[in-house]
Amino acid sequence: EAGVTQSPTHLIKTRGQQATLRCSPISGHTSVYWYQQALGLGLQFLLWYDEGEERNRGNFPPRFSGRQFPNYSSELNVNALELEDSALYLCASSLVGTSGGETQYFGPGTRLLVL
Amino acid sequence: GDSVTQMEGPVTLSEEAFLTINCTYTATGYPSLFWYVQYPGEGLQLLLKATKADDKGSNKGFEATYRKETTSFHLEKGSVQVSDSAVYFCALVNQAGTALIFGKGTTLSVSS
Repeated sequence: EAGVTQSPTHLIKTRGQQATLRCSPISGHTSVYWYQQALGLGLQFLLWYDEGEERNRGNFPPRFSGRQFPNYSSELNVNALELEDSALYLCASSLVGTSGGETQYFGPGTRLLVL
Repeated sequence: GDSVTQMEGPVTLSEEAFLTINCTYTATGYPSLFWYVQYPGEGLQLLLKATKADDKGSNKGFEATYRKETTSFHLEKGSVQVSDSAVYFCALVNQAGTALIFGKGTTLSVSS
């Protein structure tokens, strides 16, 4: 069974541009999560989508947004890129929301570099 | 709010040494607890989990026991290998069940 996939693996943008990152969950998983792993800041929760709806977001500005498609794949958009947005962006999926202890399975990540 | 504290390391060991990475948490109720591992240049892989008090998670020789009384979930392995060199993250599901809260990660380096 295929795991969580993400594209692209690397992305280079300049300040002020927009970045679009994509994620395909494990087949049968309806929940998709996005995390940012920035140097020195650790792993921080960005967004949670389930059944096409945004269910929760972390402490990030509105220029971080996304959506979930009917096939449960997801897209993360980062507008007006800033240098500090440079990070590894990880997508995870789970069967349902994790309140019941469902495991989140992670993809390999997209490394975004903002110049 | 919910939080996870783990020793940051780096932890440097010789092959076949005993490993302990400490993890304590602060949370309301009884969250599920996880250990994830990140090998160089890769994403996170689930190592083990425990969903209730006194549960022991185990995988690939690694073990961790959910200790409610000490709010801890320490990771142990009896004999580490060079291939275990990675960053290890302790995590819990937040109270609302909407996100994983991670510790800062512990870098383990094992030499032969």
